[in-house]
Amino acid sequence: GAGVSQTPSNKVTEKGKYVELRCDPISGHTALYWYRQSLGQGPEFLIYFQGTGAADDSGLPNDRFFAVRPEGSVSTLKIQRTERGDSAVYLCASSLGLNNEQFFGPGTRLTVL
Amino acid sequence: QKEVEQNSGPLSVPEGAIASLNCTYSDRGSQSFFWYRQYSGKSPELIMFIYSNGDKEDGRFTAQLNKASQYVSLLIRDSQPSDSATYLCAGNSGGSNYKLTFGKGTLLTVNP
Repeated sequence: GAGVSQTPSNKVTEKGKYVELRCDPISGHTALYWYRQSLGQGPEFLIYFQGTGAADDSGLPNDRFFAVRPEGSVSTLKIQRTERGDSAVYLCASSLGLNNEQFFGPGTRLTVL
Repeated sequence: QKEVEQNSGPLSVPEGAIASLNCTYSDRGSQSFFWYRQYSGKSPELIMFIYSNGDKEDGRFTAQLNKASQYVSLLIRDSQPSDSATYLCAGNSGGSNYKLTFGKGTLLTVNP
């Protein structure tokens, strides 16, 4: 079956621009997570959705970051006024529900020049 | 800041040997621990999880948890070159069921 998919796989943008990163979770998975992984580091939690609502957005670094999941399936991570420090791999994961294994997507590598 | 600490390595073992990967955590509220394998340029994939003190075995992999010492380990028996990857240790943060705190990972190289 299809796993978690993320698009684009790579995104290069200029400082100050706006970007959107998309995540398509495994069908039927109600929980969705965004993580950010910088080079040489483990993934860092950003936000968790249960259904359509953001149940925990405590990991978002600042108000330039926002994520939505309007229909409880696909999610979009939005970054405004990008900065060079935002460069990282953005990973999306989904799980059947709480207490279930989180399956990771391939990630979007964001490079801010 | 709740942390998960791992020796970044690299850890190099010969094929067929036992690889031992270690992890310590600071959040006493963490109840569940996970070992993920991440090949270079790929996404993490779950190898094992452990909730209870003691050992948990799955094939060539054994996870060990000692909550008193706040210590988690992963043993890989009969290591294969295909096991060469970065191994990430993660714990559920603050007792939540969903928020994982990851260590930086340990790079394992298994030499043929």
